[in-house]
Amino acid sequence: GAGVSQSPSNKVTEKGKDVELRCDPISGHTALYWYRQRLGQGLEFLIYFQGNSAPDKSGLPSDRFSAERTGESVSTLTIQRTQQEDSAVYLCASTPEGGGRYEQYFGPGTRLTVT
Amino acid sequence: AQSVSQHNHHVILSEAASLELGCNYSYGGTVNLFWYVQYPGQHLQLLLKYFSGDPLVKGIKGFEAEFIKSKFSFNLRKPSVQWSDTAEYFCAVNRGSTLGRLYFGRGTQLTVWP
Repeated sequence: GAGVSQSPSNKVTEKGKDVELRCDPISGHTALYWYRQRLGQGLEFLIYFQGNSAPDKSGLPSDRFSAERTGESVSTLTIQRTQQEDSAVYLCASTPEGGGRYEQYFGPGTRLTVT
Repeated sequence: AQSVSQHNHHVILSEAASLELGCNYSYGGTVNLFWYVQYPGQHLQLLLKYFSGDPLVKGIKGFEAEFIKSKFSFNLRKPSVQWSDTAEYFCAVNRGSTLGRLYFGRGTQLTVWP
């Protein structure tokens, strides 16, 4: 079946602009995660959605970052007033249910470059 | 702050050499442990995982990892690497909670020369 998909694959934006990144999880997966990977760094957790529970937003680095998820499907990560330090690859992952014992299935990522 | 340390940033080996990649974490409670791999041009994918039981776990493609609780370590090993093992390897830790967030190490780039 289809894996996790993300769009766009690449995004170049000017400093100060807003961007939206999209994630389509695997069908039926109730849990969805956003991570970012800066150059030479490991993945950094941003936000976690599980079913109808309140999302875990503890990893969002500032109030410029927000994310939404419609039911158990698409999620959108929004970065307002982008800064150069936001340049990174943004990865989305999903799992069949929440909890820490499931393999996370990752998408291909969106490479964001802020100029 | 929680941290996951991967000591080797870039490892270069010849085919048939043995591999060991180090991973240490700083959390003292129950943990779930993972190694993920990213082959060139591909998505991150699971190599192996440990939750409980036998501390020596086997994964895909001949990889194995050993959980040593007293050392807070989860090192990845392979007795004989192949050119196709060239990839970036990430250690990841979940704090054993109902939340699934993972803490990742910085990754180790493995290059295998034929």
